[in-house]
Amino acid sequence: DARVTQTPRHKVTEMGQEVTMRCQPILGHNTVFWYRQTMMQGLELLAYFRNRAPLDDSGMPKDRFSAEMPDATLATLKIQPSEPRDSAVYFCASGLVITGRIGEQFFGPGTRLTVL
Amino acid sequence: QKEVEQNSGPLSVPEGAIASLNCTYSDRVSQSFFWYRQYSGKSPELIMSIYSNGDKEDGRFTAQLNKASQYVSLLIRDSQPSDSATYLCAVGTGRRALTFGSGTRLQVQP
Repeated sequence: DARVTQTPRHKVTEMGQEVTMRCQPILGHNTVFWYRQTMMQGLELLAYFRNRAPLDDSGMPKDRFSAEMPDATLATLKIQPSEPRDSAVYFCASGLVITGRIGEQFFGPGTRLTVL
Repeated sequence: QKEVEQNSGPLSVPEGAIASLNCTYSDRVSQSFFWYRQYSGKSPELIMSIYSNGDKEDGRFTAQLNKASQYVSLLIRDSQPSDSATYLCAVGTGRRALTFGSGTRLQVQP
């Protein structure tokens, strides 16, 4: 049963602390996405990797956020230092780009982050 | 103008009726179109994808695409209370990341 996994599922931390979220994409997928969802902003794209290379991180606050794919089975999103306004649900998704067209994309269960 | 627009709803339909969800997009060269369902507190779940003009049916769901009008819709036949959720339209252009609409909340009244 192929699915995207994310850890942790819930995280409560204090302002100023580092937060690391991890994602294991579906085996064989060549694209990975990080999204943030809040009631006010909806679903926002933070970062997009294809074949482990970052293609678009324009939605990510560069001063505190960083995203990497150290290998094909792991994507990470780090926030340092965290702030209360970072409280949101963070989703990872993976999919395929084939023949120059983006295809179906599957979401993980999300990490619910609360920064106090 | 938003790139992908959806009516936020809520769209309320009685059980057994047809629910019609609509989405318009601004980029004429978009090629990939998706509908996701998101229950409260859960992640978006892919329910339909469509790439060519016309209709695509899968069980009680039908996706309709009209590229000339830049319009994609989702019909849910025989709506059930379990269909109550937020439905997100997503549009893909080339290899760029999908652009999501803000979602339409559907309520199916028993």
